[in-house]
Amino acid sequence: GQQVMQIPQYQHVQEGEDFTTYCNSSTTLSNIQWYKQRPGGHPVFLIQLVKSGEVKKQKRLTFQFGEAKKNSSLHITATQTTDVGTYFCADQPYSGAGSYQLTFGKGTKLSVIP
Amino acid sequence: ETGVTQSPTHLIKTRGQQVTLRCSSQSGHNTVSWYQQALGQGPQFIFQYYREEENGRGNFPPRFSGLQFPNYSSELNVNALELDDSALYLCASSLGRGQGTEAFFGQGTRLTVV
Repeated sequence: GQQVMQIPQYQHVQEGEDFTTYCNSSTTLSNIQWYKQRPGGHPVFLIQLVKSGEVKKQKRLTFQFGEAKKNSSLHITATQTTDVGTYFCADQPYSGAGSYQLTFGKGTKLSVIP
Repeated sequence: ETGVTQSPTHLIKTRGQQVTLRCSSQSGHNTVSWYQQALGQGPQFIFQYYREEENGRGNFPPRFSGLQFPNYSSELNVNALELDDSALYLCASSLGRGQGTEAFFGQGTRLTVV
């Protein structure tokens, strides 16, 4: 079935450095949702990308959807300790009977060293 | 907070036993999805309920079953528990089941099977 690959699995950065996580698929992605899960917490929706080449920004976060809709990225500028957590991308393909299920990548765990 | 509540928060069961996990969806949300998140992994889709009917199922055996009630709350039942069933079980509610709908996750139930 559809697989969404995320790299890197872990990333340790000094506070103030930038961070990027990548989401890749061998097949065309339907749409991409990004979630953040704090340690011990639950996934929280960040954003959705639908269109080829789409770029969206949320303060220090920039989200991109590839032109071929086979990859996506999340870039954080000047990381802060509040950015700590695991970032997941999720595709949302049609799974039949009017249902669209989320297929998550394994996530990138971000650690920020103060 | 998302308004999605799950109970219990933690649970320890013995192999072979049965367990029921509960989820109260956000007000107005008619769709509930259940996910299993093993340690260090992304959430894996178990199934989805829409207006009290199962509306999509992931790659989980029949011993994983569920219900949705008229008030849209939901239960996840797991029979004949196995050690590998130890995981964080997440419930997510959404307004509708269409593509692009945002999923609001509860805090999860941490199940340990010994």
